Amino acid sequence: QKEVEQNSGPLSVPEGAIASLNCTYSDRGSQSFFWYRQYSGKSPELIMFIYSNGDKEDGRFTAQLNKASQYVSLLIRDSQPSDSATYLCAGGAFSGGYNKLIFGAGTRLAVHP
Amino acid sequence: EAGVTQFPSHSVIEKGQTVTLRCDPISGHDNLYWYRRVMGKEIKFLLHFVKESKQDESGMPNNRFLAERTGGTYSTLKVQPAELEDSGVYFCASSQETVSGYDGYTFGSGTRLTVV
Repeated sequence: QKEVEQNSGPLSVPEGAIASLNCTYSDRGSQSFFWYRQYSGKSPELIMFIYSNGDKEDGRFTAQLNKASQYVSLLIRDSQPSDSATYLCAGGAFSGGYNKLIFGAGTRLAVHP
Repeated sequence: EAGVTQFPSHSVIEKGQTVTLRCDPISGHDNLYWYRRVMGKEIKFLLHFVKESKQDESGMPNNRFLAERTGGTYSTLKVQPAELEDSGVYFCASSQETVSGYDGYTFGSGTRLTVV
């Protein structure tokens, strides 16, 4: 069983819609969760992190965490074609002053005009 | 602030040859990480440095891989001898020491290694 699982997609949504990206994890020792966006051939770029149950909003992005269900999601409101990328979910195990991140394989999002 | 820099961006080598990848972290970041993404798979942890010391190298695939971080600044990852299965994108990332565990990494743009 993979430690962090994501649907590979592609997830296709029309411009202006809400894109919902999901992630499940198996390690209950993971304390924080990170969403990275990666454009083709580019480096992963941190969008948001979350560590408490519930929702965390930042602009058009909302991260949701449910530790009981071991489930993390990222909602993108008013999706734009520029949001088309691969979204990576990562779980963080914090120890000794650093986070060891375990990544999912990523979900490809395609926003079409 | 300069980001994490990796060199080269691409490398094509023959099986059995040696390749050395370099990473320059963000200045002041004590934590430096190497990750690898093999085609179609998730990004996987290779190892972690705190300054010049290897903190965790549990992800290193085998003894053909050698990582160093001279003086706690830049890091190199050497693959010797390279095998076909070593092909992939090697990412370096860095972060400041954190007490909260809520800091993500800053990634470099990666080195795409192709072994033929």
